[in-house]
Amino acid sequence: QQQVKQSPQSLIVQKGGIPIINCAYENTAFDYFPWYQQFPGKGPALLIAIRPDVSEKKEGRFTISFNKSAKQFSLHIMDSQPGDSATYFCAASIEKAGTALIFGKGTTLSVSS
Amino acid sequence: ETGVTQSPTHLIKTRGQQVTLRCSSQSGHNTVSWYQQALGQGPQFIFQYYREEENGRGNFPPRFSGLQFPNYSSELNVNALELDDSALYLCASSRGAVNEQFFGPGTRLTVL
Repeated sequence: QQQVKQSPQSLIVQKGGIPIINCAYENTAFDYFPWYQQFPGKGPALLIAIRPDVSEKKEGRFTISFNKSAKQFSLHIMDSQPGDSATYFCAASIEKAGTALIFGKGTTLSVSS
Repeated sequence: ETGVTQSPTHLIKTRGQQVTLRCSSQSGHNTVSWYQQALGQGPQFIFQYYREEENGRGNFPPRFSGLQFPNYSSELNVNALELDDSALYLCASSRGAVNEQFFGPGTRLTVL
């Protein structure tokens, strides 16, 4: 029940394309859903996060879509650029002290020019 | 605003040894969480410290222990190192119960 399942494992798109990464969860107590971007040899960087009271959130070229009834959420990257090539992780948690971020296994995105 | 910093960057130890990793939290943050990231995997929660006390723990054995200091910096100690402990160890800081966690660059631990 604590798992977050992420797909696909890897993704290749052309510059300007819109890669979509999907995550699913089981624990209905989760109420905070962030996405992180990680470059090789670096720590994960917080990109964007959503809470279940909204169905969509946009920040720049990044959009999260959230479907509470399906227990799924996804990341869309608009007008993708080669600099977006990285590993993306979804995560989920119960937003209170002492609780962990539960991460998906990651999606490696390659954006070709 | 200073971000999360970790030291050392890389570390090589042999099986059975002990290691201490250090983390300085982002300015204004009082909660520190530690994660282990194996190659090709997502980070896995080790434990969290808030007000100098362990405030939550993942599925890691007692040989993984930690400390938080009055300035909110933190240490992760691992005793009796095993080969499977080889990983990137990440520290993340946050402000209280808000779960917006910001990660440091990590310490790459190799156990031979």
